[in-house]
Amino acid sequence: GEDVEQSLFLSVREGDSSVINCTYTDSSSTYLYWYKQEPGAGLQLLTYIFSNMDMKQDQRLTVLLNKKDKHLSLRIADTQTGDSAIYFCAESIGGGYQKVTFGIGTKLQVIP
Amino acid sequence: DAGVIQSPRHEVTEMGQEVTLRCKPISGHDYLFWYRQTMMRGLELLIYFNNNVPIDDSGMPEDRFSAKMPNASFSTLKIQPSEPRDSAVYFCASRPPGGTSGNNEQFFGPGTRLTVL
Repeated sequence: GEDVEQSLFLSVREGDSSVINCTYTDSSSTYLYWYKQEPGAGLQLLTYIFSNMDMKQDQRLTVLLNKKDKHLSLRIADTQTGDSAIYFCAESIGGGYQKVTFGIGTKLQVIP
Repeated sequence: DAGVIQSPRHEVTEMGQEVTLRCKPISGHDYLFWYRQTMMRGLELLIYFNNNVPIDDSGMPEDRFSAKMPNASFSTLKIQPSEPRDSAVYFCASRPPGGTSGNNEQFFGPGTRLTVL
């Protein structure tokens, strides 16, 4: 079955890079996502990667996908205090309606 | 577009009372999801609808929980009777028709924080 795992907490200093990791179990994933949840708000899609890609870069964000190890990571360069949030890894599987499974979320704390 | 709208934003009730949470999805979206978020269990999918029809309610924890979608612009999640362990943040999300967004992005509302005393 599908399962998405990620660590619960990460603390970094402002200006450093943050790397949030995620592992998933279903090799038939089509899309893998990173959602961001700021305090008191709902989740918002931050970035995503199609399963036939290895890397995607979007300004300060870099997503790396290792399909062999079923490992997804999100790197945030020059981390800012505004990046403090909970980051959810998620995968979608299948054709037609693609069920999305979310991880438990990693809370990123940025220390000024 | 106003995004997904949920009401109320906060609800405090006593054990045994009925609770109704409301959601208005984004216009044109044909999928609607109800999630529950707790510290212990993270984000759990409770039920989802496609074109107002419930497709998968396997995540609904008990018969005390029920959800309806009478039309494309409104859905409710009801808990009757409520219990303290139902305390959580409940999110509604919607998604455009398959193929429209390409990446199957879900758009989340701000959530309803429910506290059952």
